[in-house]
Amino acid sequence: DGGITQSPKYLFRKEGQNVTLSCEQNLNHDAMYWYRQDPGQGLRLIYYSQIVNDFQKGDIAEGYSVSREKKESFPLTVTSAQKNPTAFYLCASSGQAFSYEQYFGPGTRLTVT
Amino acid sequence: GQSLEQPSEVTAVEGAIVQINCTYQTSGFYGLSWYQQHDGGAPTFLSYNALDGLEETGRFSSFLSRSDSYGYLLLQELQMKDSASYFCAASTYNQGGKLIFGQGTELSVKP
Repeated sequence: DGGITQSPKYLFRKEGQNVTLSCEQNLNHDAMYWYRQDPGQGLRLIYYSQIVNDFQKGDIAEGYSVSREKKESFPLTVTSAQKNPTAFYLCASSGQAFSYEQYFGPGTRLTVT
Repeated sequence: GQSLEQPSEVTAVEGAIVQINCTYQTSGFYGLSWYQQHDGGAPTFLSYNALDGLEETGRFSSFLSRSDSYGYLLLQELQMKDSASYFCAASTYNQGGKLIFGQGTELSVKP
């Protein structure tokens, strides 16, 4: 089955710790994205990558970092510099950069206390 | 700034028709998408309009009017499983062509 996997589903961390969220896709898509979703809010773009070894900041990149060493993988690190990291994080991919049709993973709900 | 406005909540009964509106204010606009998200789940793509008019996909239809900066999603023959959040998203030429999402409309379908 082709799709996007994110792990873990739920993640708990103490304040001051960095944490890395996993995102893997087997759709052979070039473009991948990370979004943040807060309760009752739309999706806000954190980072995106159009090809391997390249990525760009989105609207709310401060306190986050990414890498794109393989086409299939686009991990997101939430650093201790992110002031309000508790949120639902969604990874997505598309066949071409910024296609209107993006495929989303099941998300990781991160709680930082 | 760039923004999309949707109603926060809509309630309808099973079997009815419901319309979810979306007005946008985005520079470099070239199309409007709709996504469905069940509680705590992954958003899934429903529909896309690049041209004015109605696009029909089964029970769901989407409409766009560029002159009015307005679109809507029409859901017919509502089923309980249609209870979810619905997001409109604008595609833009600016900023690499990113999607700009609305805040979402929570649809509750009652028996």
